[in-house]
Amino acid sequence: DTEVTQTPKHLVMGMTNKKSLKCEQHMGHRAMYWYKQKAKKPPELMFVYSYEKLSINESVPSRFSPECPNSSLLNLHLHALQPEDSALYLCASSLLGAVEKLFFGSGTQLSVL
Amino acid sequence: KNEVEQSPQNLTAQEGEFITINCSYSVGISALHWLQQHPGGGIVSLFMLSSGKKKHGRLIATINIQEKHSSLHITASHPRDSAVYICAAVNYGGSQGNLIFGKGTKLSVKP
Repeated sequence: DTEVTQTPKHLVMGMTNKKSLKCEQHMGHRAMYWYKQKAKKPPELMFVYSYEKLSINESVPSRFSPECPNSSLLNLHLHALQPEDSALYLCASSLLGAVEKLFFGSGTQLSVL
Repeated sequence: KNEVEQSPQNLTAQEGEFITINCSYSVGISALHWLQQHPGGGIVSLFMLSSGKKKHGRLIATINIQEKHSSLHITASHPRDSAVYICAAVNYGGSQGNLIFGKGTKLSVKP
């Protein structure tokens, strides 16, 4: 199994909703990442979870909160989002860190109304 | 000026042509990734290299550490190669996972 699975593939939510994005891998990877990608722009790192330690990009608003229930799962909880948060959210994993091949999920296309 | 620059931004080729995409960077790096992104979003890692050259099928990636430059070559291009190609640098000493991305090269291969 060499896949990173993201669900859902598409999500439409209102600004008062609470939703979660899920990312799962069963490759034994110890590093997992959330990226945000706006149209025609490169991905931007939001969070890194590596060796049971979460690293946060301090520019990410608190309305995004990551959770790592176990080494195979990395969730992204969404609350009170803004329309400008509409983007493609990509999850990735690697064996140990960024100096390793990255495996990306297919992404969640999020629209905030 | 971006720390990772790609050229060209857009590239149109005829099927069968040899294609080169360039990536220059201005920071010290541990490694450099070449990624492929198809319409619809999914990203595939093509190569991760820190020196020399790697080949996989019709794809070849090279890196020159002294010149801070990497290239991705596609031989005998095919319409299914149409995608955005992104180089991403692993900043030496930088925080883990915080890749420095180029802006991407959009490749269209016409039949």
